[in-house]
Amino acid sequence: DSGVTQTPKHLITATGQRVTLRCSPRSGDLSVYWYQQSLDQGLQFLIQYYNGEERAKGNILERFSAQQFPDLHSELNLSSLELGDSALYFCASSELAGAGTDTQYFGPGTRLTVL
Amino acid sequence: QQQVKQSPQSLIVQKGGISIINCAYENTAFDYFPWYQQFPGKGPALLIAIRPDVSEKKEGRFTISFNKSAKQFSLHIMDSQPGDSATYFCAASDGGATNKLIFGTGTLLAVQP
Repeated sequence: DSGVTQTPKHLITATGQRVTLRCSPRSGDLSVYWYQQSLDQGLQFLIQYYNGEERAKGNILERFSAQQFPDLHSELNLSSLELGDSALYFCASSELAGAGTDTQYFGPGTRLTVL
Repeated sequence: QQQVKQSPQSLIVQKGGISIINCAYENTAFDYFPWYQQFPGKGPALLIAIRPDVSEKKEGRFTISFNKSAKQFSLHIMDSQPGDSATYFCAASDGGATNKLIFGTGTLLAVQP
């Protein structure tokens, strides 16, 4: 158990809908990262927050947004969902913002299925 | 230039054998190279990591070999066990202001008893 929690575990929804994925980082970790894992794209970095502020952006679609709250939990919002958004979404956390060697601990993921 | 290329895509090894997974990168700004292990239904978990100032790092049965001039690094699993059967991802980070990881495409390892 990494100490990172994600809810829900599974999510099934229809095209055009909006969903929110939630992540609670390990105790003491200030950075939260979101990754998308799909069969064709592999593990792709989406976005990083550090202590409530956006730190880095990766291949995140404009239909997707995220935020980190004062209690450090984070939410990833996916809107106008398309079939291609079906994937595993992982949250990871680390203590620091960008020390390079700071270990990222991954949660169990949320499996999103868009029908 | 942000890519990390990983091979092979899948690997079958007999119990007790050596599993070898290779990765290559282009971006010379990368300065941290972790390997993650992922079991079905679970999130990736850090296995071992290396910085480019050393050529090898060993932790138990797991060893990373790093060739800075060739921009390649590899994971060796000695005395492979059925419990090692999982997907392995290499990754790279350029540190700086962010820890974002660029992952390889993954290697599905099956260790046969």
